[in-house]
Amino acid sequence: NAGVTQTPKFQVLKTGQSMTLQCAQDMNHEYMSWYRQDPGMGLRLIHYSVGAGITDQGEVPNGYNVSRSTTEDFPLRLLSAAPSQTSVYFCASSYSGQGRVNSPLHFGNGTRLTVT
Amino acid sequence: AQTVTQSQPEMSVQEAETVTLSCTYDTSENNYYLFWYKQPPSRQMILVIRQEAYKQQNATENRFSVNFQKAAKSFSLKISDSQLGDTAMYFCAFLRTSGSRLTFGEGTQLTVNP
Repeated sequence: NAGVTQTPKFQVLKTGQSMTLQCAQDMNHEYMSWYRQDPGMGLRLIHYSVGAGITDQGEVPNGYNVSRSTTEDFPLRLLSAAPSQTSVYFCASSYSGQGRVNSPLHFGNGTRLTVT
Repeated sequence: AQTVTQSQPEMSVQEAETVTLSCTYDTSENNYYLFWYKQPPSRQMILVIRQEAYKQQNATENRFSVNFQKAAKSFSLKISDSQLGDTAMYFCAFLRTSGSRLTFGEGTQLTVNP
């Protein structure tokens, strides 16, 4: 198993550009999520999904879109990048039942995004 | 909403010694999970240990153990016989049993000195 795969590992954007961070998992996990990590703030939940076709907002969803057309993939889209979105982004997945996470999260290796 | 607080931004310990990292949380829930994750310089997030709130016995994983005080809403991590490879950022995290959102603390940067 590859686990959770995130691409790219690094990205530099100019303000106003758009891009998609890719996340794929091969563990047949129903639950997938996106976090951003900023110094002194821990990890904050952006969006999550409890299954294909179902997404919901987390703590800091503004400026980001997600979709879940398949169980395996959960891309995160930045519609118009802003310097405040400079961060390290993590995708994580887990088994879940009835919309509830019931096992520890498996994390990807993160994407470092810089918006100038 | 749940909050998780790690009041020690940085800590250091000598190799082979014991160190305790603190974590407190605030919740009105009775059933939940608590986790400690480790993030070494490689940036990878690694699960260290997990505790179910309904279990009174403290979880242990080799050199890692927790002191879970449910009434005090405290969940500290003890690392025994510290090794250089333990140098990392450590995050405490909370998950409601009925929930789908993991809430993280701010993190504690641990440095193990030779």
